[in-house]
Amino acid sequence: DAKTTQPNSMESNEEEPVHLPCNHSTISGTDYIHWYRQLPSQGPEYVIHGLTSNVNNRMASLAIAEDRKSSTLILHRATLRDAAVYYCILRDVDYGGSQGNLIFGKGTKLSVKP
Amino acid sequence: DTEVTQTPKHLVMGMTNKKSLKCEQHMGHRAMYWYKQKAKKPPELMFVYSYEKLSINESVPSRFSPECPNSSLLNLHLHALQPEDSALYLCASSQVRGAGSFNNSPLHFGNGTRLTVT
Repeated sequence: DAKTTQPNSMESNEEEPVHLPCNHSTISGTDYIHWYRQLPSQGPEYVIHGLTSNVNNRMASLAIAEDRKSSTLILHRATLRDAAVYYCILRDVDYGGSQGNLIFGKGTKLSVKP
Repeated sequence: DTEVTQTPKHLVMGMTNKKSLKCEQHMGHRAMYWYKQKAKKPPELMFVYSYEKLSINESVPSRFSPECPNSSLLNLHLHALQPEDSALYLCASSQVRGAGSFNNSPLHFGNGTRLTVT
């Protein structure tokens, strides 16, 4: 599985934007970039995913570099509830019947200050 | 609240006990997963079921025995565990899309069972 590199931790102020970086220099052409987050005492939660183009949904935006070797998860206005561990994960697209395992790396622990 | 329900929330068991963890979803998902998460570590994949058949076993010791009795239920049977097996056990489910591939279907996780082996 292709690997990702994320900072161990980041801090943000409430109601400010947060940019969470992820490096994936060995990404292959069929790898999708997925983001999940895990709030304290909860299971992981899907946030967003994309392949080449930037993506937006109600939770966040995903900005993908043109060479796809890095991406950034953007939370437009951080709230206290956004304090969590954010995982950037590569999933290979495989139409041969096998599964693209969701393999978690270490993630970034985001702290949000009031 | 999540759409994947895991029971019990907490479990304490001795090394000679036999217990089972249960997971249920009613989203029509045909892929189900077990993950193990030690404190301050990321989740680790243990098993994947697709259409009620075991498709991936990530070299998990035989003291962990998964079972998928139907499309909504996933069990993890535990026997002769060790204290180092104490962890949060997470269940997840996802859709299966086209030609058996579901690589981009988001996983929906439960909140886990906190297991302590004494």
